[in-house]
Amino acid sequence: DAKTTQPNSMESNEEEPVHLPCNHSTISGTDYIHWYRQLPSQGPEYVIHGLTSNVNNRMASLAIAEDRKSSTLILHRATLRDAAVYYCIPGGSSNYQLIWGAGTKLIIKP
Amino acid sequence: GAVVSQHPSWVICKSGTSVKIECRSLDFQATTMFWYRQFPKQSLMLMATSNEGSKATYEQGVEKDKFLINHASLTLSTLTVTSAHPEDSSFYICSASLARDPNQPQHFGDGTRLSIL
Repeated sequence: DAKTTQPNSMESNEEEPVHLPCNHSTISGTDYIHWYRQLPSQGPEYVIHGLTSNVNNRMASLAIAEDRKSSTLILHRATLRDAAVYYCIPGGSSNYQLIWGAGTKLIIKP
Repeated sequence: GAVVSQHPSWVICKSGTSVKIECRSLDFQATTMFWYRQFPKQSLMLMATSNEGSKATYEQGVEKDKFLINHASLTLSTLTVTSAHPEDSSFYICSASLARDPNQPQHFGDGTRLSIL
C-alpha cells in the first residue's frame, strides 16, 4: 500500500483559497488518488479523486503532479464549514480498501 | 444520491451487552461494505470488509467472534459487538461502494458512537 505524507495541520482565513498538499511517492501506476474529509463527530465525506489529469468538481479541485508522486487539494474559497480533517488516500485499484493516514487538520479563521 | 444510513447514531450500554449497528445503502446496491473503528484523535482503522452473501474478511487483530458482521442483502450490513466491554467504546463507521470499480468513491455513514459503561 502506498504511504502518504500530509501536514498535521494548516490554517487559513475564511474566503481565501486553501492548498492542501500530499506526497504519495510510492503510488502504483493504476491507483487513483482519493481525497476525503471528516468533520467532527461525523463519518468521512468524499471530496474528489483523480488518476493523472487535474480534476474539478463543485467542492474542490485536485492538481496531480506529472510524476503522480504528489497532489494538491484546492479549496477555492474556504468557509468555516470546510474546517475538517482532510485525508489523501492513494489506492483501490486492486481492492476496495482505503488505508487512512493521519490527515491534515484544516483550521479556518473567521 | 449515494446515501448511506447508519443506525443508531449513539448507544450507551452496560458491560457484557451485545450491540447491533446497522448500515444501509438507501438509494443504491452495495455488494461491498466496510466497517471502520475510530478512537479519539486517531484516524480510521479498517476492521472488516463485508461482501453480500459471503463471510466477511477481517483485518489482522480484529476478533471475528467478537465483531459479527452480516451482509444479508445488497442494501444492509450489520455489525454486532458481542459482550461489549469498556475497551470496545469507540466510533464505528461503515461505508459502501457504489460500483464494482474499486477506484470509485466510497460513501460513508455518519457513524455510531458506542459507549460501554
